[in-house]
Amino acid sequence: DAGVIQSPRHEVTEMGQEVTLRCKPISGHDYLFWYRQTMMRGLELLIYFNNNVPIDDSGMPEDRFSAKMPNASFSTLKIQPSEPRDSAVYFCASSFSTSPQPQHFGDGTRLSIL
Amino acid sequence: GQQLNQSPQSMFIQEGEDVSMNCTSSSIFNTWLWYKQEPGEGPVLLIALYKAGELTSNGRLTAQFGITRKDSFLNISASIPSDVGIYFCAGLVYSGGGADGLTFGKGTHLIIQP
Repeated sequence: DAGVIQSPRHEVTEMGQEVTLRCKPISGHDYLFWYRQTMMRGLELLIYFNNNVPIDDSGMPEDRFSAKMPNASFSTLKIQPSEPRDSAVYFCASSFSTSPQPQHFGDGTRLSIL
Repeated sequence: GQQLNQSPQSMFIQEGEDVSMNCTSSSIFNTWLWYKQEPGEGPVLLIALYKAGELTSNGRLTAQFGITRKDSFLNISASIPSDVGIYFCAGLVYSGGGADGLTFGKGTHLIIQP
């Protein structure tokens, strides 16, 4: 079975540019999570969705960050405008909602803002 | 917010040795998870713990959910070179009928010397 699929795997862009990260969750999973990983702060939850509806976006660092889930098989995380401090690895994860189910992670997008 | 204290930060061991790492929290979690992350990849689930006091094994790995629900440990017996990586504990709280995002420890970097 296909796992969580993220694209692109790597993104290098100049500050001020718009960045869009993409995620396809595991088929049938109704929870989707976006995390950010940095050396300083480790893995942090940014936002998560249940049945395509954002449930908690309190981890989104600034208004420059936005996330959408237009359907059950696709989500985007957008940064506009991007800044060097946004450089990190961004992970998407998904899980079932019925009974406690662990989250399964994609391989991440390594983002570098110059 | 919730925080997990994971220790040790790093371990340098000889192949064949046993490994032990743990996580503690000031908050109660409903579920404890242990993940392993290798370079360039996302965290991969190793063990999931759902009940206080639960002891679960996965091959050479054994993990326990503390009876206070505020701590967990992971043991690896007879380490081998492929055990190298960063191990993360993660706590999960269920509220309002659904899952919240994971709270991660800072990770234990396992290095195995030949």
